Amino acid sequence: QKEVEQDPGPLSVPEGAIVSLNCTYSNSAFQYFMWYRQYSRKGPELLMYTYSSGNKEDGRFTAQVDKSSKYISLFIRDSQPSDSATYLCAMSAKTGANNLFFGTGTRLTVIP
Amino acid sequence: ETGVTQSPTHLIKTRGQQVTLRCSSQSGHNTVSWYQQALGQGPQFIFQYYREEENGRGNFPPRFSGLQFPNYSSELNVNALELDDSALYLCASSLGGGVETQYFGPGTRLLVL
Repeated sequence: QKEVEQDPGPLSVPEGAIVSLNCTYSNSAFQYFMWYRQYSRKGPELLMYTYSSGNKEDGRFTAQVDKSSKYISLFIRDSQPSDSATYLCAMSAKTGANNLFFGTGTRLTVIP
Repeated sequence: ETGVTQSPTHLIKTRGQQVTLRCSSQSGHNTVSWYQQALGQGPQFIFQYYREEENGRGNFPPRFSGLQFPNYSSELNVNALELDDSALYLCASSLGGGVETQYFGPGTRLLVL
């Protein structure tokens, strides 16, 4: 079993839709949870960074962590064509970047 | 655009050869991490260098090795290349190894034939 599971999609939605992206994990030691966006031919870019359970909002993006269910989500409101990218979840047991475990990524297309 | 650059952008090698990939970190960053991203997969952590010393290593064999220079740029070396080494190799620089200050470069795409 992989440490982090993520539905690879692909996911296509119309512009303006609410998008829900999800990951599950097996390691209960994970405490730090991240979402990255990766455009084609680019490196990943950090979107959201949360610690432990709860919600965090940044503009159109909301990250949710449910440690009891080992489940994290990223919601994108009012999706735009520029949101079309691969979204990767990542998590770690410690604060450092030398301990990250990534999901496989979900490819999202927002259709104008 | 981040200030992290990688060279070369693409590379083709044959099985058994050796390869060196290079990374220039963002100004002010003292830590470089390397990741391997196979097609359709998420990045896998290879190792991290902090102030020229290895500071953590993922589940990769010893034929994956690295260096960090006094200017904090870094190299990834892979010996005895295997077909499964074909991937996008990402480097990310950060200040002190923190996730929130980590920025990724565009990657080097390696194809092993």
